[in-house]
Amino acid sequence: GENVEQHPSTLSVQEGDSAVIKCTYSDSASNYFPWYKQELGKRPQLIIDIRSNVGEKKDQRIAVTLNKTAKHFSLHITETQPEDSVVYFCAAPTGGTSYGKLTFGQGTILTVHP
Amino acid sequence: DTAVSQTPKYLVTQMGNDKSIKCEQNLGHDTMYWYKQDSKKFLKIMFSYNNKELIINETVPNRFSPKSPDKAHLNLHINSLELGDSAVYFCASSQERWLVYEQYFGPGTRLTVT
Repeated sequence: GENVEQHPSTLSVQEGDSAVIKCTYSDSASNYFPWYKQELGKRPQLIIDIRSNVGEKKDQRIAVTLNKTAKHFSLHITETQPEDSVVYFCAAPTGGTSYGKLTFGQGTILTVHP
Repeated sequence: DTAVSQTPKYLVTQMGNDKSIKCEQNLGHDTMYWYKQDSKKFLKIMFSYNNKELIINETVPNRFSPKSPDKAHLNLHINSLELGDSAVYFCASSQERWLVYEQYFGPGTRLTVT
């Protein structure tokens, strides 16, 4: 079935450390892997994404890696800051070419301690 | 110049009532979506429309009926509201580029059924 698993559900790090969140997906046709962050009471906001023809993408302190063979992708945040303390969601398209049907992971609550 | 907007932001109503949520996007996108985010923050797609045509219809009770008068608007009508309908409902829109649908979310509507 169409499934996206995200781990861990909560992650606690010290300011300045790195944080890694991992997702696995089941639909081998998935070609696009976005990451969203969501502040309390706000909308999910796209922070970075990766296409299936690329293994890694970086944008300042965040990066995403993709392993298509193993069907997993990860979000890496370096030099974490207290303001990075929000909920992060991974997602992957499922259901073939169903006009961008995204299945979301369960979310990771990141807490960065000063 | 809000890209994806929703009204109302908050909706408190009693069981058995009928209510509507409206969504509008000014991004010129062809595809719009409704998501439900429950109390555990799990985001799940409900419906998707592409150029006013229903494309995705997940396992959602018949009490939920989306309507798209034009490609910039997607409304959600809910009949006979139940306690379990309490959640945050997000509208989103996207435009296909190279078989990828980058989705942008509205601010959400927090529905509370008492």
